[in-house]
Amino acid sequence: QQPVQSPQAVILREGEDAVINCSSSKALYSVHWYRQKHGEAPVFLMILLKGGEQKGHDKISASFNEKKQQSSLYLTASQLSYSGTYFCGTVAIGSSNTGKLIFGQGTTLQVKP
Amino acid sequence: EAQVTQNPRYLITVTGKKLTVTCSQNMNHEYMSWYRQDPGLGLRQIYYSMNVEVTDKGDVPEGYKVSRKEKRNFPLILESPSPNQTSLYFCASSFDRGNTEAFFGQGTRLTVV
Repeated sequence: QQPVQSPQAVILREGEDAVINCSSSKALYSVHWYRQKHGEAPVFLMILLKGGEQKGHDKISASFNEKKQQSSLYLTASQLSYSGTYFCGTVAIGSSNTGKLIFGQGTTLQVKP
Repeated sequence: EAQVTQNPRYLITVTGKKLTVTCSQNMNHEYMSWYRQDPGLGLRQIYYSMNVEVTDKGDVPEGYKVSRKEKRNFPLILESPSPNQTSLYFCASSFDRGNTEAFFGQGTRLTVV
């Protein structure tokens, strides 16, 4: 079953912050985050593993709450280049030996000047 | 350059005419998978492969076949395409299952008329 992302879409002004949430009905082994620009392939942002710490680079970071089976992606001081569709992907604990990666429906982020 | 290569990038075909979309990676990755992307539904997994001669169904396998005869190649076969298979298709590969970055191909936009 696909993880559920919220919100579905968000519009920001440059410099504003955003949070994208990803929720699963299954206990998770790992959570992946990807960004897709229009007409391009998804590009890896980060991965969070069960038992791991919050990750981040530059102004994009993410957390993973294993108990709640949720992950959040934090974008601070957004830039125009952050525009795109963000996908979370999850690997359930029961699928850790197969690595079956299931993606959410995506969150479209638009950053305006 | 490390990459996943899909061909063709665009394809228009008629209902029932067998087609193959090729996928090749040059990173010696064991794990490969196929996704389709449709508006509002995100990326849905069609098939995945954990190694040569090891393949398994994803969430939407109906109407598709795959093979993994060599580590680098993972073709997607539509034996009798139908209009509901019109979609954007992505091939992806990763070094390991579940806990490493997935690299995506450029995508194949398929239209079945």
